[in-house]
This record gives sequence, C-alpha cells and structure tokens, in this order.
Amino acid sequence: DAGVTQSPTHLIKTRGQHVTLRCSPISGHKSVSWYQQVLGQGPQFIFQYYEKEERGRGNFPDRFSARQFPNYSSELNVNALLLGDSALYLCASSWGQRIDTQYFGPGTRLTVL
Amino acid sequence: SQQGEEDPQALSIQEGENATMNCSYKTSINNLQWYRQNSGRGLVHLILIRSNEREKHSGRLRVTLDTSKKSSSLLITASRAADTASYFCATAPLLGNEKLTFGTGTRLTIIP
Repeated sequence: DAGVTQSPTHLIKTRGQHVTLRCSPISGHKSVSWYQQVLGQGPQFIFQYYEKEERGRGNFPDRFSARQFPNYSSELNVNALLLGDSALYLCASSWGQRIDTQYFGPGTRLTVL
Repeated sequence: SQQGEEDPQALSIQEGENATMNCSYKTSINNLQWYRQNSGRGLVHLILIRSNEREKHSGRLRVTLDTSKKSSSLLITASRAADTASYFCATAPLLGNEKLTFGTGTRLTIIP
C-alpha cells in the first residue's frame, strides 16, 4: 500500500506570497494532521482534521489555514509568507481521531526568500 | 512550544554498542511515542507506550515510561550504522487537542 504522500517536495517562495501544500493520507485513514519543523527543532502541531472537520489547532497565526476533502486528502495554506515560515511541513495520517500511531509523509521543504 | 526535552542532544557510539536516550515531558499523557527521522525527511514511528504501561519491547528497541517522574527512555541494543538518525519522543495528551507534542530530539551517530 502507498504511504502518505505530499506535494510538492520542495518549494521556494518570496515574502508576502501565498503557498498551498497538499497531502494524501494512507487509504482508509480519516485523520490528517499538519506539523511544522524548523531546522534543528522537533515538529510543532499546526492542525488536525478528522472526517473533514477541524478537530485541533496549534499556536499558529490565522495566516495558516487548512481543509480536508471528501476523499480525506488535505491542503495546508499559508498566506503572507514570512522568512520565519521557512521549514519542513509534515503531514501525518491515522485511522481515527485519537492520536495513536501517526504515519508521516516525506514532507515539503518550504524556503521563503 | 515543545513539550519537553530529550537528553542527550547528541550521542556518538561505536557500532555494536547500546544507545540510551531520555525524554522528559510536562503534562499528563495518554501515550508516549518514539519516532526516528533521517536527514530532515519524514518521521518513522518506532514504538508507542501507553500511560498504564511501564515497559515495552520491539526488536532491538526497549522503551520505559515513568509517569511519576514524567520521563521515558529509549534503548537501542546492538547498534548498527543504519541507526544513525535523529530520535524524537512525542506525547499525546490525556485531555485537550488531539495532537502530538514533540521533544527537541537526540541526534544519534553510529561510528562503524
């Protein structure tokens, strides 16, 4: 079975631009979570979506938004990019809403210039 | 913000030796998980231990959990060069948002 997939792999944007990152969960998984990992740190939770509804939000500004589609894939949107948004963005999927084993995708490396 | 810290931040050992990493956390948890990350890529789940468990094994991995001290340890026995990676502990809260809170990570280097 295919694992969690994310696109694009790498992305370079300039300050003030908007970006959309995409994630496809493992087949049968209904929960998708997004994490931001700045170089040298552990991942930080951004959002969890379960059954197409937002179930959790981390301490990130309103410039960050997400949604989940009927096929359980998800998009993370970031508006008005700042230099500090440069990071690895990770998507994780799991079967249920409870946070047990998370299956992570390879991530999208975002560089903001 | 990070939930807690891993200790040490970096560890270098000879191939074949055992590696021990420690994790401390701050709040009550439902479970604690350990993940491995190679060279800034995606995380790979290693093992999950629930708050009512004290020890768990998986292959060459042994995890302990002490909820009274809010700490956990990961032991990798008979290390291999392929174990070189960053290791993170992550906690799932007992109450509140369904999210993992990660520690700061231990960078493990296995010297052949």
